[in-house]
Amino acid sequence: DAGVIQSPRHEVTEMGQEVTLRCKPISGHDYLFWYRQTMMRGLELLIYFNNNVPIDDSGMPEDRFSAKMPNASFSTLKIQPSEPRDSAVYFCASTNQETQYFGPGTRLLVL
Amino acid sequence: AQSVSQHNHHVILSEAASLELGCNYSYGGTVNLFWYVQYPGQHLQLLLKYFSGDPLVKGIKGFEAEFIKSKFSFNLRKPSVQWSDTAEYFCAVNAPGSWGKFQFGAGTQVVVTP
Repeated sequence: DAGVIQSPRHEVTEMGQEVTLRCKPISGHDYLFWYRQTMMRGLELLIYFNNNVPIDDSGMPEDRFSAKMPNASFSTLKIQPSEPRDSAVYFCASTNQETQYFGPGTRLLVL
Repeated sequence: AQSVSQHNHHVILSEAASLELGCNYSYGGTVNLFWYVQYPGQHLQLLLKYFSGDPLVKGIKGFEAEFIKSKFSFNLRKPSVQWSDTAEYFCAVNAPGSWGKFQFGAGTQVVVTP
């Protein structure tokens, strides 16, 4: 299995632009998680899905952030409009109800 | 609510020294316990996990961890570290039946000097 796949791996954008991060979980995993990691705040859970349904989005920082999972093999995290403080590494992870497997992350820089 | 506490934020040690990282959790029920490692510039990777059975768990790269239920602890150990063990280490807790609620500790940055 290729593992959790994320794209893009790096994204540089200007403040105010829309950013879309993509994730393909491991086949057969029914949970998908979005995390944000920064030096200041560490690893933060933003939202997670079970069988494509959002279960807990209490970690989403504000309305500028939204996440969707239209099917079992694809999820997006969108930031609109982006701000410099959104600069971070965004990880997607999936689980088979035992162990979480992380994707390589998307390094986002908002100028 | 579950919480995970990692005792040290930064650890610096020399090659061949022994490593022990503390992890305590607060949750009254049965839990699953994990240690993840994040090498510089990379994503989190599973080192080892404990679900049940022998409380001494062996993982990859010579790491092991011991679950002490009475102390709510799951400390990570390695008898002799290498420079390549320089990384950030995360303890995580999850309760069966609540799979989404993986709770990660703040992480411990380990630097191994040659």
